[in-house]
Amino acid sequence: SQQGEEDPQALSIQEGENATMNCSYKTSINNLQWYRQNSGRGLVHLILIRSNEREKHSGRLRVTLDTSKKSSSLLITASRAADTASYFCATYSGGGADGLTFGKGTHLIIQP
Amino acid sequence: NAGVTQTPKFRVLKTGQSMTLLCAQDMNHEYMYWYRQDPGMGLRLIHYSVGEGTTAKGEVPDGYNVSRLKKQNFLLGLESAAPSQTSVYFCASSTRVYEQYFGPGTRLTVT
Repeated sequence: SQQGEEDPQALSIQEGENATMNCSYKTSINNLQWYRQNSGRGLVHLILIRSNEREKHSGRLRVTLDTSKKSSSLLITASRAADTASYFCATYSGGGADGLTFGKGTHLIIQP
Repeated sequence: NAGVTQTPKFRVLKTGQSMTLLCAQDMNHEYMYWYRQDPGMGLRLIHYSVGEGTTAKGEVPDGYNVSRLKKQNFLLGLESAAPSQTSVYFCASSTRVYEQYFGPGTRLTVT
């Protein structure tokens, strides 16, 4: 079953604008991760935020986590054409090694 | 350092045929995973392994078997392929259930 659900499913913006994607999940988590997937390629890890963290930054990426609302957001600032990709949130619930549970993804298109 | 590699990259099978997908990692990771990705879907976990000689079922294990005879390799087998197994298969590895490193994927079509 899908744990994370991204919103929106698709997003098209102009180069230079900021892009925001949201992820909601259902059960308590140990950590939440964001991955990027370029067309026809494998997933690449972007950032991990632990359940006791509220915000994290990495370069042009900013991730927030609200465990009370079971939601996270990924902000990409000053978007570039190379940011065109699908973005997935993935959650780890802890207590074992049963992998990550992925959402269906947000397809981001950056218009030049 | 090749990271995670998968072979083959593409394969077409007829219903009922069998095949094995190979995943190899050179990062000395304990944990390895097999996922499948279908159109418009996220990744779903098929099987995983927490170390050499161990395997466990994920969310969608039916119709697949796995083996982890060596730490660096994780094999995914389809004994009798079905059209419902048409998908893109990704292998991943990690030190724990934190950042996972993914292979480039195997695109499998079952006719």
